[in-house]
Amino acid sequence: AQSVTQLGSHVSVSEGALVLLRCNYSSSVPPYLFWYVQYPNQGLQLLLKYTTGATLVKGINGFEAEFKKSETSFHLTKPSAHMSDAAEYFCAVRRMDSSYKLIFGSGTRLLVRP
Amino acid sequence: DAGVIQSPRHEVTEMGQEVTLRCKPISGHDYLFWYRQTMMRGLELLIYFNNNVPIDDSGMPEDRFSAKMPNASFSTLKIQPSEPRDSAVYFCASSFRAFTEAFFGQGTRLTVV
Repeated sequence: AQSVTQLGSHVSVSEGALVLLRCNYSSSVPPYLFWYVQYPNQGLQLLLKYTTGATLVKGINGFEAEFKKSETSFHLTKPSAHMSDAAEYFCAVRRMDSSYKLIFGSGTRLLVRP
Repeated sequence: DAGVIQSPRHEVTEMGQEVTLRCKPISGHDYLFWYRQTMMRGLELLIYFNNNVPIDDSGMPEDRFSAKMPNASFSTLKIQPSEPRDSAVYFCASSFRAFTEAFFGQGTRLTVV
């Protein structure tokens, strides 16, 4: 079965500090991977995606993520946190078998301290 | 395009009543997903369609839940009868082909009292 695991339901950083949100997946077939952000009372918005090609992908708002097949990871990073980054972040995998199901991790709430 | 449109944005109903949530996907998208979000269970995939055909409904919690997609521009999620434990935010999302990201609606916040 394919799944996605996000380590840490809450991550707290100081403004200006590095943001690192962890995501690991399990899959027998290389999946497509996504990070979404959700602000309060809103829907999910795509931050970035990995499909094929370059393993380091850049997204909106200065976020980037690196696909590491050997570690089955797709961690999200940002060099310098901003107060506006406070939100919930979801890692998602899209199965590349015949189902093409889109499955989400449990989410990580990012808190940014002044 | 206006994006994925869900209605209503908020719904408050009494236990035992029928609830219908509606979704209009982005034009041209051939996949449609229904998710439920709660604090306890996170974001759960309930059912998804491809070209209006239900592909996997294994996430539908009970027979009280049903979903339809009569055409490419409209889908409904129905709960009959509703129960307080159905209170959640329900999201609809659509995508173009199997290899791309899904775009989400703003969600419907359902409260069953």
